Amino acid sequence: GAVVSQHPSRVICKSGTSVKIECRSLDFQATTMFWYRQFPKQSLMLMATSNEGSKATYEQGVEKDKFLINHASLTLSTLTVTSAHPEDSSFYICSASSGLLPLTDTQYFGPGTRLTVL
Amino acid sequence: ELKVEQNPLFLSMQEGKNYTIYCNYSTTSDRLYWYRQDPGKSLESLFVLLSNGAVKQEGRLMASLDTKARLSTLHITAAVHDLSATYFCAVHFTSGTYKYIFGTGTRLKVLA
Repeated sequence: GAVVSQHPSRVICKSGTSVKIECRSLDFQATTMFWYRQFPKQSLMLMATSNEGSKATYEQGVEKDKFLINHASLTLSTLTVTSAHPEDSSFYICSASSGLLPLTDTQYFGPGTRLTVL
Repeated sequence: ELKVEQNPLFLSMQEGKNYTIYCNYSTTSDRLYWYRQDPGKSLESLFVLLSNGAVKQEGRLMASLDTKARLSTLHITAAVHDLSATYFCAVHFTSGTYKYIFGTGTRLKVLA
């Protein structure tokens, strides 16, 4: 089956630093990748949708300059949290979709990255 | 506005009992997903429902979709402790944009 990896799985950083999270589709080409964040005991909130080679589409209320998304290839998307603050601490999950079969296509989720900002 | 609501939010049930989780959504969709999430983990895909009247079953879980009512159900039959988890529905919206919106989640606890 389709596998999506995320790296790192956990990261702790100091306030004001930047953190990069990688999302890779290991055995398929992902034309679209989604980034979600999830606060404890809450649902997943879509942050942005990225298509390979084009700018990401951010959801309302998500700061583009704070959460930089790059989808440079069909197997890799990165999310950089710039100048992180404690309120950015969350569980970040990516998903990838191949987009080849619209009727049966689905998104495959990565294992998530837990970010803690001190 | 694209909204997906689930109820109940919390569910505590005895082993062996049956129960249904409901997922309502606000506008037309071409597919609906159910996922399971264990604490501290990512999502495990359970079902994808593609058409009105679709029904899928896996073990003690059965999902159905009524696109006219914009409602999906996840039915649990004879619950066992291993089913304890949080269950999310997610709706794929295509009008104007291509995105998935998740429901609020239902935290299920099955008591032995």
